[in-house]
Amino acid sequence: SQQGEEDPQALSIQEGENATMNCSYKTSINNLQWYRQNSGRGLVHLILIRSNEREKHSGRLRVTLDTSKKSSSLLITASRAADTASYFCATKTGANNLFFGTGTRLTVIP
Amino acid sequence: GAGVSQSPSNKVTEKGKDVELRCDPISGHTALYWYRQSLGQGLEFLIYFQGNSAPDKSGLPSDRFSAERTGGSVSTLTIQRTQQEDSAVYLCASSLQGATEAFFGQGTRLTVV
Repeated sequence: SQQGEEDPQALSIQEGENATMNCSYKTSINNLQWYRQNSGRGLVHLILIRSNEREKHSGRLRVTLDTSKKSSSLLITASRAADTASYFCATKTGANNLFFGTGTRLTVIP
Repeated sequence: GAGVSQSPSNKVTEKGKDVELRCDPISGHTALYWYRQSLGQGLEFLIYFQGNSAPDKSGLPSDRFSAERTGGSVSTLTIQRTQQEDSAVYLCASSLQGATEAFFGQGTRLTVV
């Protein structure tokens, strides 16, 4: 079974707006990662946050992690049409296995 | 190679036939993962190899599915007696030892007719 679930399943926003996606997971983790997928093929790594970190930034991306609630959020600021894709959270366990969430389908309308 | 390579890109097979899917990880990556993704769905974990340790096969959906990794490099996922519900994109990823990011191949789209 998958480790995480994401919310919402689908999100549609206007270009320039911010997009927030949430991820909840079930067990203890070493780190949590966010990936992007275009056109249902290979995923691309976006950002990694370790279990002892609470917030991390990379360009227009901001990730938060709350280990007490077993949840994370990904914020994309000033969205662009090119940000349209599916976004997945993934949790790295103590055994170094990597489990993915159910994904959020983001559509940015020009 | 520069990235993770999967072959074939697409495979159409008849129900009941066996198929083999190949993954060439990035050189030096000791961890290798296989996932299955049905249309519009998330990634379903199948199997995880880490160096010389016994693989984690807990995600394999049935005994028709098996995988091996020869010489700590190339991996082959085999599906025997394919069923229509096996139709999906099969994704392979590799990473360095430890808690680092994974690099994905472009996947194999399997269609069972």
